[in-house]
Amino acid sequence: DAGVTQSPTHLIKTRGQQVTLRCSPKSGHDTVSWYQQALGQGPQFIFQYYEEEERQRGNFPDRFSGHQFPNYSSELNVNALLLGDSALYLCASSPRYSSYEQYFGPGTRLTVT
Amino acid sequence: GNSVTQMEGPVTLSEEAFLTINCTYTATGYPSLFWYVQYPGEGLQLLLKATKADDKGSNKGFEATYRKETTSFHLEKGSVQVSDSAVYFCALTISSGSARQLTFGSGTQLTVLP
Repeated sequence: DAGVTQSPTHLIKTRGQQVTLRCSPKSGHDTVSWYQQALGQGPQFIFQYYEEEERQRGNFPDRFSGHQFPNYSSELNVNALLLGDSALYLCASSPRYSSYEQYFGPGTRLTVT
Repeated sequence: GNSVTQMEGPVTLSEEAFLTINCTYTATGYPSLFWYVQYPGEGLQLLLKATKADDKGSNKGFEATYRKETTSFHLEKGSVQVSDSAVYFCALTISSGSARQLTFGSGTQLTVLP
């Protein structure tokens, strides 16, 4: 049983560009959450998707957007990249009616130059 | 709002030493509490959890007790191993019927020397 998978592993972009990160949830999970983890910091919640809609959102600008597909996989899009967007982006999945256990993927390391 | 405060790191211990990592929280509702661990180059793994006051979460020799009166959830282990070297994050979520966002502390880097 595959866990949460993310692609790509690493990515280098230039300031002003756009990026798309991808996540496949653990089998049986229908809810996907995205987190941003800056170097030396704890993860910060970006948003959460289930039933193909954004259900919760953290304190992130509209440059951050997402999508969830019918197979529960998800994308995170970031437009007009800033140097400060450089971080590890983590995807977590869970069954909708579980408050407790979120399973994290290995993350995508984004570097903006 | 909700927040989690962890003791400042890094923490360096010798093998078989006793470990305590302090964690306190502020929450607007009734939180569930977690400790996650992040090994180098990997994502976060749930280490243990507690969902109500006085609950003790435990796993792999680690323990933490949900103390509502002191709003704390300190992580302890009686005898650390080199393989415990990692970053430890305390986190909370407000319990409800649906999955909710996690609020994390800033993490504590633990290094265990042989």
